[in-house]
Amino acid sequence: SQQGEEDPQALSIQEGENATMNCSYKTSINNLQWYRQNSGRGLVHLILIRSNEREKHSGRLRVTLDTSKKSSSLLITASRAADTASYFCATWAGNTPLVFGKGTRLSVIA
Amino acid sequence: DTEVTQTPKHLVMGMTNKKSLKCEQHMGHRAMYWYKQKAKKPPELMFVYSYEKLSINESVPSRFSPECPNSSLLNLHLHALQPEDSALYLCASSQETLTDTQYFGPGTRLTVL
Repeated sequence: SQQGEEDPQALSIQEGENATMNCSYKTSINNLQWYRQNSGRGLVHLILIRSNEREKHSGRLRVTLDTSKKSSSLLITASRAADTASYFCATWAGNTPLVFGKGTRLSVIA
Repeated sequence: DTEVTQTPKHLVMGMTNKKSLKCEQHMGHRAMYWYKQKAKKPPELMFVYSYEKLSINESVPSRFSPECPNSSLLNLHLHALQPEDSALYLCASSQETLTDTQYFGPGTRLTVL
């Protein structure tokens, strides 16, 4: 299975702190994406990083990709209570549907 | 318009009922998806439509029947469901099939009694 595994499963931090979550996957990929899901709602696309990229930024988000280790990390800087959500990585290997990881539940305490 | 809409938001049905979930997008996307998501789990792909044709069926029981009347609409017909089918049902769309970014609707919370 190509399914990603996020680590940690759950993370609780204080507002203003940085949050880091990791994703590991098993097979070669074309790109890796991160999605956010607020409780009981749809997923929102955050950022996409292609297999030939090593780092990407979007606002307070920083994503890294290490294809040799088949892993990615999502860093959220200066977290806010509104960042409380579940975060999923999703991998795309071409000609296959996106495969979602199990997710990290982030709680940001005000 | 970058929105995917889903109706209804909540649905409660008995095991003998027939109901339908609806999804709509006006982004000109040619691929549409149905996912099922249980609590604290990732979305599980059910069906993929590409150019209004069913391209992927992830071995979903026949009590779930998808339909794509046109390029903007996607339905999921439900019949004789089981309590274990209670979940959040998410619709998504993308520019083309099996590419980059998917845009998700807010989901329908389904409870089967």
